[in-house]
Amino acid sequence: DTGVSQDPRHKITKRGQNVTFRCDPISEHNRLYWYRQTLGQGPEFLTYFQNEAQLEKSRLLSDRFSAERPKGSFSTLEIQRTEQGDSAMYLCASSLSIRVETQYFGPGTRLLVL
Amino acid sequence: AQSVTQPDIHITVSEGASLELRCNYSYGATPYLFWYVQSPGQGLQLLLKYFSGDTLVQGIKGFEAEFKRSQSSFNLRKPSVHWSDAAEYFCAVGAYGTASKLTFGTGTRLQVTL
Repeated sequence: DTGVSQDPRHKITKRGQNVTFRCDPISEHNRLYWYRQTLGQGPEFLTYFQNEAQLEKSRLLSDRFSAERPKGSFSTLEIQRTEQGDSAMYLCASSLSIRVETQYFGPGTRLLVL
Repeated sequence: AQSVTQPDIHITVSEGASLELRCNYSYGATPYLFWYVQSPGQGLQLLLKYFSGDTLVQGIKGFEAEFKRSQSSFNLRKPSVHWSDAAEYFCAVGAYGTASKLTFGTGTRLQVTL
């Protein structure tokens, strides 16, 4: 069973540094989602892709955030000039567009900005 | 805008006792509704979902939920809790027709005493 995988699982960085996270969806899934979860909160939607097209971005996704899915398979989420407020769990999910209602989540990348 | 309220932040039940976790949603039309469970270090796992039809839906691990339109609720139940059910539970709502953007509640942490 190859579920959604995310790399790295943990990242510690200093304020001002850039970080990049990777998500590998379930192989036949053409939709890929990014969420952010802060302590004590539920996940918050950031953005999603259908194949390589980024179809929606949340207002939470500031200019310092950029997500790509260049070949419609894996995706990267980059945060430039990290701030302490970026500390959170970043979750990736994938689904089939014919069954958009079932999103399968990866284990997440926990980011700590010092 | 869609929203979800989980009024109970933390619930403690004895093993073998019944469980009900509350979820209220706000959405202008018929929503897609979900319950996910998150264990420490794990990603979100889908327990069950509701789109239409029978308002009582069965999920995995012996969980069920009932959609009550008049009360805008989608409460999660289990007749007999096991110690392994201790986790964080999230209710989520998705927009009808796409469900591409899930809106989550803040979660309910379930503690099970032996």
